[in-house]
Amino acid sequence: QVTLKESGPGILQPSQTLSLTCSFSGFSLSTYGMCVGWIRQSSGKGLEWLANIWWNDDKYYNPSLKNRLTISKDTSNNQAFLKITNMDTADTATYYCARSRGYFDFWGPGTMVTVSS
Amino acid sequence: DIQMTQSPSSLPASLGERVTISCRASQGISNNLNWYQQKPDGTIKPLIYYTSNLQSGVPSRFSGSGSGTDYSLTISSLEPEDFAMYYCQQDASFPYTFGAGTKLELK
Repeated sequence: QVTLKESGPGILQPSQTLSLTCSFSGFSLSTYGMCVGWIRQSSGKGLEWLANIWWNDDKYYNPSLKNRLTISKDTSNNQAFLKITNMDTADTATYYCARSRGYFDFWGPGTMVTVSS
Repeated sequence: DIQMTQSPSSLPASLGERVTISCRASQGISNNLNWYQQKPDGTIKPLIYYTSNLQSGVPSRFSGSGSGTDYSLTISSLEPEDFAMYYCQQDASFPYTFGAGTKLELK
């Protein structure tokens, strides 16, 4: 059974760095072809893909966030991570991680992140 | 980036009704089009992948079709649990992009 769950700070101040953790089970990111992605959703708005990381450590980022994103993984502990630097109020959103096979076939419940001074 | 234009943004419908949601890509995406359902509690689940493949566990009243730039999701007979948000997504090229969503609501 594949499950994923996001965790994060809940609230942080503008200019701080957001660190998110995706803890998953039911698959391994060391298995050929496996991939985990991050997607966010601002309040009342649509979905925005942020980044993907593959079993072989390949990474793709959404260029709209320029150089603010860093995705990484800890295969031994079945976790994936996302860091976003220089957070702004516009980054307030629910952040999801999901297993990706091109499409996202399993999603976590999401973690809400609020950026406020 | 490939822009995904989804329509309608809101769709009032009745139980038992057949409905169709459309998604148009700004360029050809070679059937790399997926559909998701989001419930009010934020839970997201895949419905259809690669245009027309039904995700495991998804009822057969859901179907997808399309090619080139134009794709659609059809629900053949609406059940109470189908009233939710629906999003299309292309995975033909990075960055992956989503449509703006369709809110399927009870008429």
